[in-house]
Amino acid sequence: DAGVTQSPTHLIKTRGQQVTLRCSPKSGHDTVSWYQQALGQGPQFIFQYYEEEERQRGNFPDRFSGHQFPNYSSELNVNALLLGDSALYLCASSFRSGVQPQHFGDGTRLSIL
Amino acid sequence: GEDVEQSLFLSVREGDSSVINCTYTDSSSTYLYWYKQEPGAGLQLLTYIFSNMDMKQDQRLTVLLNKKDKHLSLRIADTQTGDSAIYFCAESSNTGKLIFGQGTTLQVKP
Repeated sequence: DAGVTQSPTHLIKTRGQQVTLRCSPKSGHDTVSWYQQALGQGPQFIFQYYEEEERQRGNFPDRFSGHQFPNYSSELNVNALLLGDSALYLCASSFRSGVQPQHFGDGTRLSIL
Repeated sequence: GEDVEQSLFLSVREGDSSVINCTYTDSSSTYLYWYKQEPGAGLQLLTYIFSNMDMKQDQRLTVLLNKKDKHLSLRIADTQTGDSAIYFCAESSNTGKLIFGQGTTLQVKP
């Protein structure tokens, strides 16, 4: 039974570029949440997708956008990258929005030069 | 507002018990979680407790919840070197958004 999978594992971009990160949820899960973890910090909630709609959003600018597909997989897009966007981006999946615990993938390490 | 606080560092000897503490502010929290993060990895769900419970035990792990003081603790019995990691406390309401603390680095000395 595959857990949450994320791709790519590492990515290097330059300022001003755009990036797309991908996530496949754990089997049986229908909700995907994205978190940003800066070095030495706890993860910060970006947004949550359920039934292909953004249900909740954290305190992130609209340069951060996402999508959920009918098979429950999800993408995180970040436009106009800044140096401060360098972080580990974590995807978490769960069943029925907030009712069940969230299981995390291993993340995508994004470095901005 | 929502806030979760943890002490930053704990060092124990192998075989001792470890106790990691956490305080939170949101009284509407539904679930409280403990996650483990090893270097270069994502978060591993260790255990969680529903807000109407006082205690939960799962093998070497014991979670204690004092809802009045908004205090959560994780006790690891017979701590092993493989338990060395960063431990995150997190709270959520029934909307599912997780609020994390800064993490406690657990160092286990042989």
